[in-house]
Amino acid sequence: QSVLTQPPSVSAAPGQKVTISCSGSSSSIGNNYVSWYQQLPGTAPKLLIYENNKRPSVIPDRFSGSKSGTSATLGITGLQTGDEADYYCGTWDSSLRAVLFGGGTKLTVL
Amino acid sequence: EAQLVESGGDLIKPGGSLRLSCAASGLIFSNAWMSWVRQAPGKGLEWVGRIKTKSEGGTTDYAAPVKGRFTISRDDSKKTLYLQMSSLKTEDTAIYYCTPMETITGSEFIAFDIWGLGTMVTVSS
Repeated sequence: QSVLTQPPSVSAAPGQKVTISCSGSSSSIGNNYVSWYQQLPGTAPKLLIYENNKRPSVIPDRFSGSKSGTSATLGITGLQTGDEADYYCGTWDSSLRAVLFGGGTKLTVL
Repeated sequence: EAQLVESGGDLIKPGGSLRLSCAASGLIFSNAWMSWVRQAPGKGLEWVGRIKTKSEGGTTDYAAPVKGRFTISRDDSKKTLYLQMSSLKTEDTAIYYCTPMETITGSEFIAFDIWGLGTMVTVSS
């Protein structure tokens, strides 16, 4: 069971917007940076967001991240069928001295 | 361009041991904190552990499920990371990825920016 909680699945139509939540604690998200990863079927994870809301240069601005208190959110606008993937949040937990991942959210673009 | 190539995955019986390797290129390996992350079939990502740089003592941290059974080490002269796994259990079956930990001063972890293809470990009798 993951210590970071994500919804198992979300869905939306092409062109629409979707958000994926990630809930943690004061020792995890509350006091550490959050990152987000996209994993397409059969491939390795890919970094989408780091330091809560920053994007690597190769990631389009359709992807955004935010953090408030002990929760974080990934937003994706202008959904495309190619966005269908599993999405994971990650952070450090200062009490456990460990990197935590959320359980993952499967995005379906209807 | 940075590249990571994991190897050593195999089919192994419960209770057995196995050593994984990760060859790095295109990054200053000796300056990088390195981690292993695994993914069981059909499951999510799970952090295994990390090793800091030699200049920072080569300190290691491990996830609770593998602590005492797995050991991470590094050979900076070969730009290679290792994961020695012992007392393997069926629940250790997974793809194992190595990845450098992006960090900044005052923070233990920012993100995993570079990933290899992984190597598959299957623990089964």
